[in-house]
Amino acid sequence: GAGVSQSPRYKVAKRGQDVALRCDPISGHVSLFWYQQALGQGPEFLTYFQNEAQLDKSGLPSDRFFAERPEGSVSTLKIQRTQQEDSAVYLCASSSRIGEADTQYFGPGTRLTVL
Amino acid sequence: QQPVQSPQAVILREGEDAVINCSSSKALYSVHWYRQKHGEAPVFLMILLKGGEQKGHEKISASFNEKKQQSSLYLTASQLSYSGTYFCGTEGGSQGNLIFGKGTKLSVKP
Repeated sequence: GAGVSQSPRYKVAKRGQDVALRCDPISGHVSLFWYQQALGQGPEFLTYFQNEAQLDKSGLPSDRFFAERPEGSVSTLKIQRTQQEDSAVYLCASSSRIGEADTQYFGPGTRLTVL
Repeated sequence: QQPVQSPQAVILREGEDAVINCSSSKALYSVHWYRQKHGEAPVFLMILLKGGEQKGHEKISASFNEKKQQSSLYLTASQLSYSGTYFCGTEGGSQGNLIFGKGTKLSVKP
């Protein structure tokens, strides 16, 4: 079956522009996570959805970052007024259950470059 | 409370073995291992659970020492396809979000 997909794969934005990154999780997966991965580092947690509810947004670095999953499937991560420090790969992961110790399946990521 | 991985990098010849370690300063319920190749998604390898249960890859083994809060990933008879960066992840919250280490870069040469 299809895995997690993300679009666009690459995005170049001028500083100050708004961007929207899309994640299509595996069909039927309840849990959806967004991570940010800087060059040479491990992924860092941004936010978590259980179906359409955003239950944890403690990792979002500023109020310029906003995420939604209105129908409990596709999710969008929006970054307003992008800054150079936002340049990173944004990874989406989904899992079929709620809670710890369930496999998270990652998408290929969106590489954001802010000029 | 980011887990600490060691070594940072390792170079192997095809057929050699390697061990990658992951340690945490907090008590763990589970440890997750992923491999990521350049420009690609992290790929799930294994979950180790408190109590000894393992779920994952047939050709890779791992251990989880709950008392020492450590996990080790064992790669035996390495193949060229094993090259990549290996990450361990520990639980960051009750919903299952992971805190990843900085990774171990493994290069397997012919």
